Amino acid sequence: NAGVTQTPKFQVLKTGQSMTLQCAQDMNHEYMSWYRQDPGMGLRLIHYSVGAGITDQGEVPNGYNVSRSTTEDFPLRLLSAAPSQTSVYFCASSPGQYNSPLHFGNGTRLTVT
Amino acid sequence: GENVEQHPSTLSVQEGDSAVIKCTYSDSASNYFPWYKQELGKRPQLIIDIRSNVGEKKDQRIAVTLNKTAKHFSLHITETQPEDSAVYFCAAHSPGGSYIPTFGRGTSLIVHP
Repeated sequence: NAGVTQTPKFQVLKTGQSMTLQCAQDMNHEYMSWYRQDPGMGLRLIHYSVGAGITDQGEVPNGYNVSRSTTEDFPLRLLSAAPSQTSVYFCASSPGQYNSPLHFGNGTRLTVT
Repeated sequence: GENVEQHPSTLSVQEGDSAVIKCTYSDSASNYFPWYKQELGKRPQLIIDIRSNVGEKKDQRIAVTLNKTAKHFSLHITETQPEDSAVYFCAAHSPGGSYIPTFGRGTSLIVHP
């Protein structure tokens, strides 16, 4: 199993550009989520999904869109990048039973200039 | 919703000393408490977890204790080594939370050789 795979590892965008961060898992996990990590702020939940076709907002959803057309994939879209979206982004998944730990991807470091 | 407070934010110890990180939670219905370790530039990874029907769990040099009455749980690392240096996150899972863990803000542990 590859686990949770995120691409790209690094990305530089100009303000106003759009892009999609990719996340795929091969563990047949129902639950998938996106976090951003900023210094001193811990892990903040952006969006999550409890199964294919179902998504919901987390703590900091503004400026981001998600979709879940398959169990395996959960892409995160930045519609119009802003410097405030400079961060490290982690995708995470779990089987869906509520007492299961998260499996994290290796992260994407995004810089918006 | 659930709220998790984690202390201290930074912990500096000498190699061989013990380290203790404490988290408090607000939702008395929470019953799963994982701990994650994040080395510099890496993804968070589960190191130990505890369920509410257990008071203590050990795995070699690390242990977690849970006090349901006081609503707090702690990570204990004995005989610390430089490779224990990392950021540690606690989390709490609530039955009403749709699989979503609530994270503490993290503790940066520095082990001096």
